[in-house]
Amino acid sequence: GNSVTQMEGPVTLSEEAFLTINCTYTATGYPSLFWYVQYPGEGLQLLLKATKADDKGSNKGFEATYRKETTSFHLEKGSVQVSDSAVYFCALSAWTGNQFYFGTGTSLTVIP
Amino acid sequence: KAGVTQTPRYLIKTRGQQVTLSCSPISGHRSVSWYQQTPGQGLQFLFEYFSETQRNKGNFPGRFSGRQFSNSRSEMNVSTLELGDSALYLCASSSGQARRTDTQYFGPGTRLTVL
Repeated sequence: GNSVTQMEGPVTLSEEAFLTINCTYTATGYPSLFWYVQYPGEGLQLLLKATKADDKGSNKGFEATYRKETTSFHLEKGSVQVSDSAVYFCALSAWTGNQFYFGTGTSLTVIP
Repeated sequence: KAGVTQTPRYLIKTRGQQVTLSCSPISGHRSVSWYQQTPGQGLQFLFEYFSETQRNKGNFPGRFSGRQFSNSRSEMNVSTLELGDSALYLCASSSGQARRTDTQYFGPGTRLTVL
């Protein structure tokens, strides 16, 4: 079946620290992989995506590389800001249908 | 381009009642998916509609139903509400053409509280 496993939170970092949020997946076939971010009281916003192995998605200083050999799509940012405080969701879209499978979310708090 | 809109944003109902939530997708998008978000279960897929037809369905009881209109707007209905139905209900739209690579764009959600 299809599933996403995300590192447990919450994560608390100081401003300008390096961020890694781990995400691994299990999928039938060749999924597309996504990172979404959710700010308090809002819906999910697409952060970045990758649709095939070795693709790197990037946006607003965040990056993630689709690693088929390790079935991973870890999110990284070199220097976090207070405004990055939010909940981050890893997700996959399998070839079998227009259904997303989400990880449990990782809450990030960045302190000044 | 306007984003996905959902109405109402907040709802309070009592057990046993029914509720209808509405979603307007991004212009040109033909696929609308619904998700339930709760602290305990996270984000769970309810169903997807494409060109007025339900194309995919998650593991929810029959009390949860939906439909899509010819203008791609979608409604979700929950009958005989239970306390456990309290959640944030998110709607997402996509083109629906390239199912594996499509990006889903989410609305702000409807917060349903069942008392």
